[in-house]
Amino acid sequence: DQQVKQNSPSLSVQEGRISILNCDYTNSMFDYFLWYKKYPAEGPTFLISISSIKDKNEDGRFTVFLNKSAKHLSLHIVPSQPGDSAVYFCAASARTSGSRLTFGEGTQLTVNP
Amino acid sequence: DSGVTQTPKHLITATGQRVTLRCSPRSGDLSVYWYQQSLDQGLQFLIQYYNGEERAKGNILERFSAQQFPDLHSELNLSSLELGDSALYFCASSVGTERETQYFGPGTRLLVL
Repeated sequence: DQQVKQNSPSLSVQEGRISILNCDYTNSMFDYFLWYKKYPAEGPTFLISISSIKDKNEDGRFTVFLNKSAKHLSLHIVPSQPGDSAVYFCAASARTSGSRLTFGEGTQLTVNP
Repeated sequence: DSGVTQTPKHLITATGQRVTLRCSPRSGDLSVYWYQQSLDQGLQFLIQYYNGEERAKGNILERFSAQQFPDLHSELNLSSLELGDSALYFCASSVGTERETQYFGPGTRLLVL
């Protein structure tokens, strides 16, 4: 049972444009969400997080939006750069489950020059 | 560089064998997590140790076991290996047991032939 889903395996955008990566979850106990970026042959790197008490969190070019009623979150990257090309994982945790993370399958983002 | 180290980087072995994967957390981190990433899937939480004690257990097979030593490094032991155990195994560390950022190592790629 996939509790965190990233329905788009891949996304291609032009340099300078906005990249929007989406993530849906089914477990209503999830209250903390994170995005990780992963380059080939490296481990995931933390990007940005959001608690369920907020609906938006911004850090530089990266903004995460949370829609609790829809159980949906998205990561916006503006402007996109070729160095952003990587696999992006959405992850979630529930207070009742401690600090373990439940990951989505990932979305391969390609930013074309 | 996340500060988390994992050895070996690659491991090729045969079915029925036993292997040990090693992880050294970031300096100062007391929690170690193990995740498994099979082909085209998200990372699956296996187990967490905090300061030498098992803290949380996920979808870890009985053939797998882990421990965290007094110097805080951790080992994941996989025995009676099957073809389906071929995957990337990631170790992550965090300061404590709250929902702080988890920092991931580069992973060990295991191939069971």
